[in-house]
Amino acid sequence: GENVEQHPSTLSVQEGDSAVIKCTYSDSASNYFPWYKQELGKGPQLIIDIRSNVGEKKDQRIAVTLNKTAKHFSLHITETQPEDSAVYFCAATPGDKIIFGKGTRLHILP
Amino acid sequence: NAGVMQNPRHLVRRRGQEARLRCSPMKGHSHVYWYRQLPEEGLKFMVYLQKENIIDESGMPKERFSAEFPKEGPSILRIQQVVRGDSAAYFCASSPTTAAQETQYFGPGTRLLVL
Repeated sequence: GENVEQHPSTLSVQEGDSAVIKCTYSDSASNYFPWYKQELGKGPQLIIDIRSNVGEKKDQRIAVTLNKTAKHFSLHITETQPEDSAVYFCAATPGDKIIFGKGTRLHILP
Repeated sequence: NAGVMQNPRHLVRRRGQEARLRCSPMKGHSHVYWYRQLPEEGLKFMVYLQKENIIDESGMPKERFSAEFPKEGPSILRIQQVVRGDSAAYFCASSPTTAAQETQYFGPGTRLLVL
C-alpha cells in the first residue's frame, strides 16, 4: 500500500523566514496531494492541495511543488508569521482514503 | 453552511465500557471517513462509508470496532469493551464524492480517554 514519509519532524524558523517541508510517497497511482494544518486541540484544516497534472501551485504565502517522477512533493511557506505555528501534514490519495505523513511541528521564533 | 460536526468532543470511559462517537457530515456530503490519531502521530485511516454502505474498512480493527452511516442521522463509530490502548483522538471527515476526486473536510474530533 501507499507509504508517505515526511521530513523534518520538527522545524524552527525565525519569523519572516521561509519554511520548507518535504514528503515522498510510494504508490505511483496517487494523484491528489493535500496539505493540512492542525492547531492544538483542533481537527486538520486543508491549506493547499495539488493534483498530479500540475507541477506547482501557489496561494499567497503558501506554495506546493510536485515531482511525480521522483515521487516528491514539498510545502513552502514564505514570510512566516506567529500564526503559522502548528503541525503540518502532507498526504497522498491512492484511492478513496488519505494516507498521511507523520507530521511536522513548525515553530515560528520571534 | 456548517462544517463537519462531531460529538462528544471529549469522552471518558472505564475499561470494558462502550464508546459511541458521532459524526454529522457537511451538508450535501454523502461520503464519511473515520481516522484515529495517537499523540504525536499522524492520522491513520480506519473506515470509509457511504449512506448505508461500508466501502472500505481495511484500517479498522476486526474486533470491538464497528461503524455505520444510516440513511438518516449521523455516522457512528462504536468501540465495544474499550481498553486503554483505544485512548486517542478520533476524527471524522466528509466529502461530496470520493477522496480521489474531492477534498476531505475534517471535524474537530472526539478525544477518547480510557481509564
